[in-house]
Amino acid sequence: GQQLNQSPQSMFIQEGEDVSMNCTSSSIFNTWLWYKQEPGEGPVLLIALYKAGELTSNGRLTAQFGITRKDSFLNISASIPSDVGIYFCAGRKTSYDKVIFGPGTSLSVIP
Amino acid sequence: DTGVSQDPRHKITKRGQNVTFRCDPISEHNRLYWYRQTLGQGPEFLTYFQNEAQLEKSRLLSDRFSAERPKGSFSTLEIQRTEQGDSAMYLCASSAKIREGTEAFFGQGTRLTVV
Repeated sequence: GQQLNQSPQSMFIQEGEDVSMNCTSSSIFNTWLWYKQEPGEGPVLLIALYKAGELTSNGRLTAQFGITRKDSFLNISASIPSDVGIYFCAGRKTSYDKVIFGPGTSLSVIP
Repeated sequence: DTGVSQDPRHKITKRGQNVTFRCDPISEHNRLYWYRQTLGQGPEFLTYFQNEAQLEKSRLLSDRFSAERPKGSFSTLEIQRTEQGDSAMYLCASSAKIREGTEAFFGQGTRLTVV
């Protein structure tokens, strides 16, 4: 079963608003990843984090690797309609381990 | 297009039939992963290969499931005696040697419907 928890489960926001979502685990991870998935497509990697406390940006997206190594956060600034999709956090416990996915946060942007 | 390619994109089969899916990874990627995704859930790990060696299999992979990667290139995932609970999206991903910055790229998936 899933070892990662994501919140919120879904979000409905107005275009232009900022978005925050998070991911928690009961286990320590040494890599945190954030993916976006659109209908009928495979997940696409947005941001990868490798060090505790690391803050990384990709355009309007910013993600942080939690200090405890048990959580991560994703922020999207000034949302636009094409941000719609499901955002998954994912992680690896060791460098050579498989990637485990959370259940996802569904984002809807109202124009 | 040099991304991960999966075939077929959609498969409808009757319960009890066998199905086989194919995944062609990005050229020279030595790791290949299979995941299963059901509606409203994140991808669940099934198995992965490093070159032709199958290194890990999930408990989700019952004895009806088998995966191969002959010659360390493309991979196939076979499901025997399909059940309705097998209906899902089957995702394949590939990556180069694991190190920072070489995360997996996913294909578009094969959606299986068992009727």
